[in-house]
Amino acid sequence: EIVLTQSPATLSLSPGERATLSCRASQGLTSYLAWYQQKPGQAPRLLIYDASNRATGIPARFSGSGSGTDFTLTITSLEPEDSAVYYCQQRSNWSPITFGQGTRLEIK
Amino acid sequence: QVQLVQSGAEVKKPGSSVRVSCKASGGTLSSYAIHWVRQAPGQGLEWMGGTTPIYTAATYGQKFQGRVTITADESTNTAYMELTSLRSEDTAVYYCASYLGDFWTPPFFQHWGQGTLVTVSS
Repeated sequence: EIVLTQSPATLSLSPGERATLSCRASQGLTSYLAWYQQKPGQAPRLLIYDASNRATGIPARFSGSGSGTDFTLTITSLEPEDSAVYYCQQRSNWSPITFGQGTRLEIK
Repeated sequence: QVQLVQSGAEVKKPGSSVRVSCKASGGTLSSYAIHWVRQAPGQGLEWMGGTTPIYTAATYGQKFQGRVTITADESTNTAYMELTSLRSEDTAVYYCASYLGDFWTPPFFQHWGQGTLVTVSS
């Protein structure tokens, strides 16, 4: 099973700042990594797929980078509505499809 | 734009089964795969398995093999997830999610249902 480790567990930033979220895989994924945003009481929302492709309707403030085992989600010009838990997910391997444990982003 | 609408909350006894439905609109079910992901209270996301009616095939996570059955009815554009031998640890919100790519390729999840809370309690 591929284990995804996200860091930090919690990130507290102010509006207008830049957030950098990390996801590290226990095995190489090439570029098969996605990022999701989940707000309380809501379903996850796809932000980024295959490491760096923004999903439909996602603002350009959200960007993804990385390959192999190290990936980053960057959110620039933070807004209060960006407060959420962010998950990474690998689709390199069926056995099984796995998610990271999440990073909670708080906007002060 | 694919929209997924799930059935309502369920309360089940340990040892029983639950079936959750996921009705798709904005396209035909044969155009994409439907997967199920669950989330225990206060916990992260866990993939269970998926299906597509075009191949009448399903794939399951090893943890759930033998206990979960995922099907799709193309005539009603509805997918189903049945989980048997329920235990308290199965208490979670169950989500269906779609993937528009090739079913045989591990997916990412483009659209999600609103979630269905399944509570297992005696």
